[in-house]
Amino acid sequence: EAGVTQFPSHSVIEKGQTVTLRCDPISGHDNLYWYRRVMGKEIKFLLHFVKESKQDESGMPNNRFLAERTGGTYSTLKVQPAELEDSGVYFCASSQRLALSTDTQYFGPGTRLTVL
Amino acid sequence: KQEVTQIPAALSVPEGENLVLNCSFTDSAIYNLQWFRQDPGKGLTSLLLIQSSQREQTSGRLNASLDKSSGRSTLYIAASQPGDSATYLCAVRPAETSGSRLTFGEGTQLTVNP
Repeated sequence: EAGVTQFPSHSVIEKGQTVTLRCDPISGHDNLYWYRRVMGKEIKFLLHFVKESKQDESGMPNNRFLAERTGGTYSTLKVQPAELEDSGVYFCASSQRLALSTDTQYFGPGTRLTVL
Repeated sequence: KQEVTQIPAALSVPEGENLVLNCSFTDSAIYNLQWFRQDPGKGLTSLLLIQSSQREQTSGRLNASLDKSSGRSTLYIAASQPGDSATYLCAVRPAETSGSRLTFGEGTQLTVNP
């Protein structure tokens, strides 16, 4: 069974440009999460989808970030326009979430974003 | 607001040594606690998940304990090997939110020397 996949693995863009990150969750996982780790900090939650609906987007830093999950399969995270402080590693995770106490989130390899 | 702290930030040990990684959290209202491993340039691999009602979980040479009332967890690694070298992350699932998020510590970078 394939794990969570993310594309691209690395992205280098200039300030003001747009970047779109993609995540493909494990097949059959309705729950999809985005996290990010900026330099020197801990991994922080961005948002959570249940199928195509945003369940919790309280971690999104500002309106330059737009996440979508059309059709409830893969998800995209767009940053527009990118700023220097957006540099970091963006992780995607998915889970089945049958019960909160036992739910395990499975993480992808991450996309390393560098904004110059 | 839930905060997670991991001590030490870095640890270097000789091969074969038993070691303990520490994790503390400020709010005991959690659904579960997970320990992850991250290798350089790779994603996070889930090692152990302890439900809030449990005290410990074991997998091979790994044993994780949870003392929810005191806000502490430990990850015990027996007979460490160079292949155990990685960053170990602790994350709790707070009950204060919809249960969506994991709250992470900054991690402990472990080096096991041959």
